[in-house]
Amino acid sequence: TQLLEQSPQFLSIQEGENLTVYCNSSSVFSSLQWYRQEPGEGPVLLVTVVTGGEVKKLKRLTFQFGDARKDSSLHITAAQPGDTGLYLCAGDNYGQNFVFGPGTRLSVLP
Amino acid sequence: SAVISQKPSRDICQRGTSLTIQCQVDSQVTMMFWYRQQPGQSLTLIATANQGSEATYESGFVIDKFPISRPNLTFSTLTVSNMSPEDSSIYLCSVSGTSETQYFGPGTRLLVL
Repeated sequence: TQLLEQSPQFLSIQEGENLTVYCNSSSVFSSLQWYRQEPGEGPVLLVTVVTGGEVKKLKRLTFQFGDARKDSSLHITAAQPGDTGLYLCAGDNYGQNFVFGPGTRLSVLP
Repeated sequence: SAVISQKPSRDICQRGTSLTIQCQVDSQVTMMFWYRQQPGQSLTLIATANQGSEATYESGFVIDKFPISRPNLTFSTLTVSNMSPEDSSIYLCSVSGTSETQYFGPGTRLLVL
């Protein structure tokens, strides 16, 4: 059974600070997605990474896919209260199924 | 990306009753998925709904409890049958997009008393 772990589980920081969220697995995935979910909403796709070692930037968010395609990180620079939410990583098992991590709940305080 | 709507957005139900959740997509899609997200938890896949065939259920989920319909390529329903308080969750439908991604509906918040 493929599993994805995320750390930290909870994170509370002040506005302007930087943070990194990690997503790890012992399994290889064909791609990995990061989602943000706000209260009362469904998850919203942030990025998909496909190639090992790939780095993608989305404004203040930087996503990296591990060389072996087993892990990923999300780095947020100068966090803002609008970044508050549940961050979920999900691995695509070569089109067979998606595996979701448990999520990192981020709170950015003004 | 696909635009997905769900009805109802939330409901409060009595134990022993059933609720049918609708999922509508603005484009034709081959595969639709139903997830459950229990309070404070991540997403758990219930089943994959394919048009023209029976849904494929994940371990721990059965058709009698969660019957699914998929009458066409833009619509699906999930019924939560004979509900108990343990069924209180957010139920989400999603579809596969391009680039190996999934797009989610806004979810249905269910509270069973």
